[in-house]
Amino acid sequence: DIVMTQSPDSLAVSLGERATINCKSSQSVLYSSNNKNYLAWYQQKPGQPPKLLIYGASTRESGVPDRFSGSGSGTDFTLTISSLQAEDVALYYCQQYHNTPQTFGQGTKLEIK
Amino acid sequence: QLQLQESGPGLVKPSETLSLTCTVSGGSISNTNYYWGWIRQPPGKGLEWIGSIFYSGSTYYNPSLKSRLTISVDTSNNQFSLKLTSVTAADTAVYYCARHVEAFDSWGQGTLVTVSS
Repeated sequence: DIVMTQSPDSLAVSLGERATINCKSSQSVLYSSNNKNYLAWYQQKPGQPPKLLIYGASTRESGVPDRFSGSGSGTDFTLTISSLQAEDVALYYCQQYHNTPQTFGQGTKLEIK
Repeated sequence: QLQLQESGPGLVKPSETLSLTCTVSGGSISNTNYYWGWIRQPPGKGLEWIGSIFYSGSTYYNPSLKSRLTISVDTSNNQFSLKLTSVTAADTAVYYCARHVEAFDSWGQGTLVTVSS
């Protein structure tokens, strides 16, 4: 199985400041035939299902605010929130869908400082 | 707008079979662009992909659950289902159904299934 490791486990950022979450996969999730990274980011608030933010490592899902961005390739990825809003307090997960089984990171808890 | 809704017993006894159904509305489960999957989340823990199915009935499962797992589709009722046999307390979780092409882009609200006698 591909192991997804997120860092940090928790993060406290001031409103309006940048938040950065990292995700590392134990093997590459870049599909060489189409040069696509099979990596997604989700946001989960208490009592709610996860919400897709980013797929293909850097493509924002429709309706997701542009303060959310994804970057990286191969085994190292980053989710950036450019200017933290109060409603961004949540758990964030990365997921690889390159191999079966699809696997998720352990999650990063984002709070307001 | 696409909606997914999980249904099934909230309490299952150890060694018995967990059965859940996901009803899809606002879109056809026979859409050839999508797979339909199950994901679970133990209380206070992370996400685990269980398995997925295409409208044709083609499935792929998490190897860790494969020996106990069956996912099926009922296109006439726009539903797909999960059966997990020989459950233990470790199977206690919120179970989500979701749609995916690649990433999971639409999710049900989830249903808590507790395994306990």
